[in-house]
Amino acid sequence: EAGVAQSPRYKIIEKRQSVAFWCNPISGHATLYWYQQILGQGPKLLIQFQNNGVVDDSQLPKDRFSAERLKGVDSTLKIQPAKLEDSAVYLCASSPAEDWISGNTIYFGEGSWLTVV
Amino acid sequence: DAKTTQPPSMDCAEGRAANLPCNHSTISGNEYVYWYRQIHSQGPQYIIHGLKNNETNEMASLIITEDRKSSTLILPHATLRDTAVYYCIVTLSGYSTLTFGKGTMLLVSP
Repeated sequence: EAGVAQSPRYKIIEKRQSVAFWCNPISGHATLYWYQQILGQGPKLLIQFQNNGVVDDSQLPKDRFSAERLKGVDSTLKIQPAKLEDSAVYLCASSPAEDWISGNTIYFGEGSWLTVV
Repeated sequence: DAKTTQPPSMDCAEGRAANLPCNHSTISGNEYVYWYRQIHSQGPQYIIHGLKNNETNEMASLIITEDRKSSTLILPHATLRDTAVYYCIVTLSGYSTLTFGKGTMLLVSP
């Protein structure tokens, strides 16, 4: 089974520039997440999609970050304009959203490493 | 979600059992205990989860105390490849969200 695919793997940009990250979840997974992981910290949820609808974007800095999930499959996360503090790993994850009794398991991609200089 | 407390770091000799503790004293009756790990430069990887009973799979065992206020992840024969940050997470399954803390950095040495 193919895992969660992310690109690009690494990106270096100057502050105030824009960047976009792409994610292809595991086939058939209805739920998709974007996490931000700053060096030395655990991942922090930015946004959660259920199919192509947003479930939770309470921690997404909406003045500069945007995300979409077209047709309920692939997703893109955009940052514009980037700030120095946006330097982090951006992790995409997906879940089959099985019933709660069996317990949900979330599968992560390898992440996109962003450095803002 | 209930908060968890983990030691920041632990050491283990290769071939020995690694026992990683987690305190979750405010856990509620329908919250699950999940364990993930993150090897350097990779995304987090699911290890195991449980509700009340002890669980075992091909990667690890999860021991949950009877009062559910703490748990221990056991890697029975640690290898160098098990060096990673281990996250203990308590969550209501069905909401499909995980809130990560800082985890425990496990260093397995030869």
